[in-house]
Amino acid sequence: GQQVMQIPQYQHVQEGEDFTTYCNSSTTLSNIQWYKQRPGGHPVFLIQLVKSGEVKKQKRLTFQFGEAKKNSSLHITATQTTDVGTYFCAGGILDSNYQLIWGAGTKLIIKP
Amino acid sequence: EAQVTQNPRYLITVTGKKLTVTCSQNMNHEYMSWYRQDPGLGLRQIYYSMNVEVTDKGDVPEGYKVSRKEKRNFPLILESPSPNQTSLYFCASRPGLLHYEQYFGPGTRLTVT
Repeated sequence: GQQVMQIPQYQHVQEGEDFTTYCNSSTTLSNIQWYKQRPGGHPVFLIQLVKSGEVKKQKRLTFQFGEAKKNSSLHITATQTTDVGTYFCAGGILDSNYQLIWGAGTKLIIKP
Repeated sequence: EAQVTQNPRYLITVTGKKLTVTCSQNMNHEYMSWYRQDPGLGLRQIYYSMNVEVTDKGDVPEGYKVSRKEKRNFPLILESPSPNQTSLYFCASRPGLLHYEQYFGPGTRLTVT
């Protein structure tokens, strides 16, 4: 079936280091969204990418959508303690405007 | 304040005792859904609703029921809960077909013993 693989499952970084999480879909996506879930919290929408090759930035966060619309990445430059949490991607299924397929998430842990 | 609310936030129950988790949104959103979140598995969709009286199964619907009698409410019903339904449950809504951004409720942590 359709699935989105997200790696890594966990990433430990020192504060100030960069962080990247990747999502790869088995099928072409109509769009991809990214969410952040703080510990004990609920997922919060960060951004949506729709166009092939699209790159968007939010301060220290850079989001990319691949040319084939099958992969995406989120890169955080110079991590801060406020970045701690789990980052999820969710891809829109091409033939359905209602359904999303979710990656399993990457947990960002800042080493003290 | 625009929000999605869920109740209860925490629930401990026993196998077989019917329960309902309520979900309500005040944003006039058409689309609502229920997810469960388990460690290492991310978010899995249980059921979704595209509008009043229109519901459909997600990825893991077994053991759950939903109804959408009003636009704002989308309760999740467990007729006979079992321990494998112990999980963290999220309700989410989004405006409609062309709007993909989802707004999540605070979550309901359910334990079935």
